[in-house]
Amino acid sequence: GESVGLHLPTLSVQEGDNSIINCAYSNSASDYFIWYKQESGKGPQFIIDIRSNMDKRQGQRVTVLLNKTVKHLSLQIAATQPGDSAVYFCAEKIGGYQKVTFGTGTKLQVIP
Amino acid sequence: EPEVTQTPSHQVTQMGQEVILRCVPISNHLYFYWYRQILGQKVEFLVSFYNNEISEKSEIFDDQFSVERPDGSNFTLKIRSTKLEDSAMYFCASSKQTGGYQPQHFGDGTRLSIL
Repeated sequence: GESVGLHLPTLSVQEGDNSIINCAYSNSASDYFIWYKQESGKGPQFIIDIRSNMDKRQGQRVTVLLNKTVKHLSLQIAATQPGDSAVYFCAEKIGGYQKVTFGTGTKLQVIP
Repeated sequence: EPEVTQTPSHQVTQMGQEVILRCVPISNHLYFYWYRQILGQKVEFLVSFYNNEISEKSEIFDDQFSVERPDGSNFTLKIRSTKLEDSAMYFCASSKQTGGYQPQHFGDGTRLSIL
């Protein structure tokens, strides 16, 4: 996809293992943090979000953890499948604004 | 599941020409957005649109850009006089707005190639 580039950090995971994708943010005024998945040739697909007053949120096979002390966000994918191979972006929304600011992305490669 | 649809999937245009990128947002959504992604780079916000007017725009969204909701279903991005550096993937997104934050849902983009 268009987001895949030579300089993207890559995480390679064996199928069935858990994946952890990390993201650092800098803006303390962010009120929501969002994870998007981008497959080759597709647009960003919403996965899960978390409000800044929470530290954990779970979805189907995914968990997002937020550590505001160190401004760190992670996405955990349980039992990673080949269909999880994609570029994953963390993004943030600042309070009072609608725009979403994307991070640089991490490429997840699932090894069958 | 409802989707944001964008046309065309690929647009090739000569530098200096005008181009219009089209989007059909999800039908009950009220906020509309354009983002772009230059090859190998981050997705960047361009503009948001609500209640028939621009609500936010970035520094990228200069006088060469405009947006319009010409009817009840389409949302367009016009670039008046394209430059080589406008080559990118352009993504349309939409969200419900019932107060506070609602996730933005993206289309699959239009690849714009300026020659």
